[in-house]
Amino acid sequence: AQSVTQLDSHVSVSEGTPVLLRCNYSSSYSPSLFWYVQHPNKGLQLLLKYTSAATLVKGINGFEAEFKKSETSFHLTKPSAHMSDAAEYFCVVIRAGNTPLVFGKGTRLSVIA
Amino acid sequence: EPEVTQTPSHQVTQMGQEVILRCVPISNHLYFYWYRQILGQKVEFLVSFYNNEISEKSEIFDDQFSVERPDGSNFTLKIRSTKLEDSAMYFCASSADRGSYNEQFFGPGTRLTVL
Repeated sequence: AQSVTQLDSHVSVSEGTPVLLRCNYSSSYSPSLFWYVQHPNKGLQLLLKYTSAATLVKGINGFEAEFKKSETSFHLTKPSAHMSDAAEYFCVVIRAGNTPLVFGKGTRLSVIA
Repeated sequence: EPEVTQTPSHQVTQMGQEVILRCVPISNHLYFYWYRQILGQKVEFLVSFYNNEISEKSEIFDDQFSVERPDGSNFTLKIRSTKLEDSAMYFCASSADRGSYNEQFFGPGTRLTVL
């Protein structure tokens, strides 16, 4: 079975400083991994996805994530946080060819001016 | 930009009542999904729907739940007799195709409160 663990429920950073949101996955199969973001009163929006191509994945709004099989990790990073990055972030895994997304519990990112 | 919409944004109901949550998926999408998130817990898959039938469902999706695509644009989730533990945020999603290469586009959710 697939699962993801988001290691922090809440991360707070100052504007202009780096962002690191941590995610570890567990999968018996070659996984596909995603990061989704949810802004208040908005739907879940796809930030980026890893599907067994390049291990460093670039997404929207300057975010990127690196798939590390040896560490079973897929951490989300951004070099410089912006106020508009404040949101809930979800790490998600799916088995290739399958349908249901399996979500982590989410990490709430706060950005302080 | 096309988006998934959901109505209502917030629904309050009494225990034992039936509720219908509505979703309008992106118009050329073929696969539809419902997920839910109980406060403080993970987003969980409920059901997927393709070609007018359920293609996959989780153990959460018991006989109290049903889905329907009544008119070619709406996609509904019905809960026949709501329980307190059905209180959650319900997300609808749609995708052009299935599988990991196809992004699921999510709506903003309906918050269901069962009293």
